[in-house]
Amino acid sequence: EAQVTQNPRYLITVTGKKLTVTCSQNMNHEYMSWYRQDPGLGLRQIYYSMNVEVTDKGDVPEGYKVSRKEKRNFPLILESPSPNQTSLYFCASSLILAGSTDTQYFGPGTRLTVL
Amino acid sequence: QQQVKQSPQSLIVQKGGISIINCAYENTAFDYFPWYQQFPGKGPALLIAIRPDVSEKKEGRFTISFNKSAKQFSLHIMDSQPGDSATYFCAAQPTDSWGKLQFGAGTQVVVTP
Repeated sequence: EAQVTQNPRYLITVTGKKLTVTCSQNMNHEYMSWYRQDPGLGLRQIYYSMNVEVTDKGDVPEGYKVSRKEKRNFPLILESPSPNQTSLYFCASSLILAGSTDTQYFGPGTRLTVL
Repeated sequence: QQQVKQSPQSLIVQKGGISIINCAYENTAFDYFPWYQQFPGKGPALLIAIRPDVSEKKEGRFTISFNKSAKQFSLHIMDSQPGDSATYFCAAQPTDSWGKLQFGAGTQVVVTP
């Protein structure tokens, strides 16, 4: 089954404790992206990647890191989480067609709470 | 600052009615306008999308209208059903940085029986 998977689905942590949220897709998509969803703000892009070893900042990259060492995986790293990073996080992937992204397929989400 | 403004924030419509969600953009040139549907506890999923070379696209009960000069686009859900109850996001893809899809704030639609 074609899908984007995220782990963990739920995470409660404390301020300053490094964490990683994994994202994996099995559709051989070049493009992957991370978003955070907050009430009244919709989906805001954190980082995205056009292909292996190619990443770029989205609209809200502060406090986050990413890496793309393999095509299928795109982990999101919070080196020192703070309470304002409490949010619902989504990973998405897409083919690149004619120099543009196509339909983005979203993972099920990771609900993160930072105390 | 959100480049895509979406309204209303929430919407209640009776079964069989029409749901209308509006989005507007400014400043940036965009060349792809998808709408995503999100059910509680799930990730968003593409519902329908339009490119600016057409003014309207219809798929079943869902229609996108696009007004390039006004920089506005809207989603119409005809004959709304309780199963359409979800949050809907409009989005726009910048022409010069297509990796950075911009989303609206979302509209929660509730269809009453």
